[in-house]
Amino acid sequence: DQQVKQNSPSLSVQEGRISILNCDYTNSMFDYFLWYKKYPAEGPTFLISISSIKDKNEDGRFTVFLNKSAKHLSLHIVPSQPGDSAVYFCAAAANNNDMRFGAGTRLTVKP
Amino acid sequence: SQTIHQWPATLVQPVGSPLSLECTVEGTSNPNLYWYRQAAGRGLQLLFYSVGIGQISSEVPQNLSASRPQDRQFILSSKKLLLSDSGFYLCAWSVGTPEAFFGQGTRLTVV
Repeated sequence: DQQVKQNSPSLSVQEGRISILNCDYTNSMFDYFLWYKKYPAEGPTFLISISSIKDKNEDGRFTVFLNKSAKHLSLHIVPSQPGDSAVYFCAAAANNNDMRFGAGTRLTVKP
Repeated sequence: SQTIHQWPATLVQPVGSPLSLECTVEGTSNPNLYWYRQAAGRGLQLLFYSVGIGQISSEVPQNLSASRPQDRQFILSSKKLLLSDSGFYLCAWSVGTPEAFFGQGTRLTVV
């Protein structure tokens, strides 16, 4: 039962442009959403999060948008840099409980 | 500061052999602990989580088990490995919030 879905397995973007990574969820009990970045053979590292009481959270080049009515969130990276190339996982949690992850989107930023 | 140690980094085991992966957390008390698995080309699947010593919740029926003999120690085990147990295993911890922090992972190949 995939409660968190990332429908795009990969995304390729030119350096300096915007990267938009999308995520959908089905469980209306989720109240906290997170994005993780993962390099090969390493554990994921936390990137940015958003509570369900907000619709936007920004941290430097990274902004997460939450649309609760659509059960959709997105991660915007601008400007994109080659070092941003990694797999990005969307995750969601309900009532401070364990996270459920999407399948990930592989972002490639071309110089 | 908090750190998480997970070992070994890589492991090649024959089918039918036992497994023991260990994870320890430093710098925090009473963390929630998690074992995730990333199968090839797939997302992160939650296997087990623990909110305290001896308290283990299993997410999926499988060939694996987990134990938490000490507050900051989490062990993933199997009595007899299957080929399908191959994957990238990740230990993670969290305290008070859904954000979890991951170890470096163990690449398990069952041959």
